[in-house]
Amino acid sequence: AQRVTQPEKLLSVFKGAPVELKCNYSYSGSPELFWYVQYSRQRLQLLLRHISRESIKGFTADLNKGETSFHLKKPFAQEEDSAMYYCALSDPGNTPLVFGKGTRLSVIA
Amino acid sequence: DAGVIQSPRHEVTEMGQEVTLRCKPISGHDYLFWYRQTMMRGLELLIYFNNNVPIDDSGMPEDRFSAKMPNASFSTLKIQPSEPRDSAVYFCASSKREGAEAFFGQGTRLTVV
Repeated sequence: AQRVTQPEKLLSVFKGAPVELKCNYSYSGSPELFWYVQYSRQRLQLLLRHISRESIKGFTADLNKGETSFHLKKPFAQEEDSAMYYCALSDPGNTPLVFGKGTRLSVIA
Repeated sequence: DAGVIQSPRHEVTEMGQEVTLRCKPISGHDYLFWYRQTMMRGLELLIYFNNNVPIDDSGMPEDRFSAKMPNASFSTLKIQPSEPRDSAVYFCASSKREGAEAFFGQGTRLTVV
């Protein structure tokens, strides 16, 4: 069964500090991985996906198949990055997105 | 396109009452998903539809929950009777294909007192 684990419920960092939000998954095939972000009282929105290999708002994420991880990173956190972050996985064409429980990032000024 | 539209945004109801949540997916999206968000469990998939047909409802917690999609532009999630533990934010999402990027609505914050 597919599973997404985000070990940290809450992560607090100071403004300007590096950020790493952890995501591990269990899946035997070739998954598609996503990061979604939810700002306060807003809808979830796609932040980035591994196949696009892009940087959005300074965030990057690399799929590590050996470690089955897809950690989200940003070198310098900003206050506006404070939000709930969800890692999600899908088996392309076969299943809906499966989400982790989310990590709340709090950036302290 | 205005995106996925959900109504109401907030719902407060008394235990035992029937609650109906509504969703209008993005036009042209063949898949519609209902998720429930709580602090304890995060985002849980309740049910999803493909071309208006329910595909997997194994996430629906109890028989008190039911969902319909009478046409491509409308879906409902009904709870009857509602209980305090149903209090959560319910999200509707749609996508062009299974496993693709899902677009979420604003959510309905349900409070059952």
